[in-house]
Amino acid sequence: DAGVIQSPRHEVTEMGQEVTLRCKPISGHNSLFWYRQTMMRGLELLIYFNNNVPIDDSGMPEDRFSAKMPNASFSTLKIQPSEPRDSAVYFCASSRVMRQGAGEQYFGPGTRLTVT
Amino acid sequence: KQEVTQIPAALSVPEGENLVLNCSFTDSAIYNLQWFRQDPGKGLTSLLLIQSSQREQTSGRLNASLDKSSGRSTLYIAASQPGDSATYLCAVSTDKLIFGTGTRLQVFP
Repeated sequence: DAGVIQSPRHEVTEMGQEVTLRCKPISGHNSLFWYRQTMMRGLELLIYFNNNVPIDDSGMPEDRFSAKMPNASFSTLKIQPSEPRDSAVYFCASSRVMRQGAGEQYFGPGTRLTVT
Repeated sequence: KQEVTQIPAALSVPEGENLVLNCSFTDSAIYNLQWFRQDPGKGLTSLLLIQSSQREQTSGRLNASLDKSSGRSTLYIAASQPGDSATYLCAVSTDKLIFGTGTRLQVFP
């Protein structure tokens, strides 16, 4: 299994530009999570999907952030317009839906975003 | 609101030592607790998952214990090696994971 795939691995963009991060979960997993990691705030959950449906987006910091999961094998996280404070590493993770609690999550390698 | 704390924040030890990393959480209403390892510039790797009904889980040189009533978990690493150097994170699960702040471990030869 290839694991969770994220692209791009690195993104450098100027303030005000649109940024799109992509994720392909592990085949057969039906939960998908987007996290952001910074030195100041650690690892924060932004949004998660079960069976392609957004369940909890309370971690999405602002309306500038949006996420979609059009099918079971693909998700995007979009920032429009981007700001320097959005600079962070963004991780995607997937797991199987559990009857109770979060299942064992498998993380992608992350996308390091730098907004200048 | 669930808060997860890890102590110590950083640890540096010589090779061969047995280690204990600590994780505490404020709300005992959890389904499970997971320990992860993160290498610099990399994603997280799941090490152990303990269900709320379990007391401990073991994998090789790693042993994780859970005391839900007191809101504590420990990760025990036996006979540490330089390859164990990484950041270790614990996360408690309701319907989603809440991560701790991490312990940065360095094992020197």
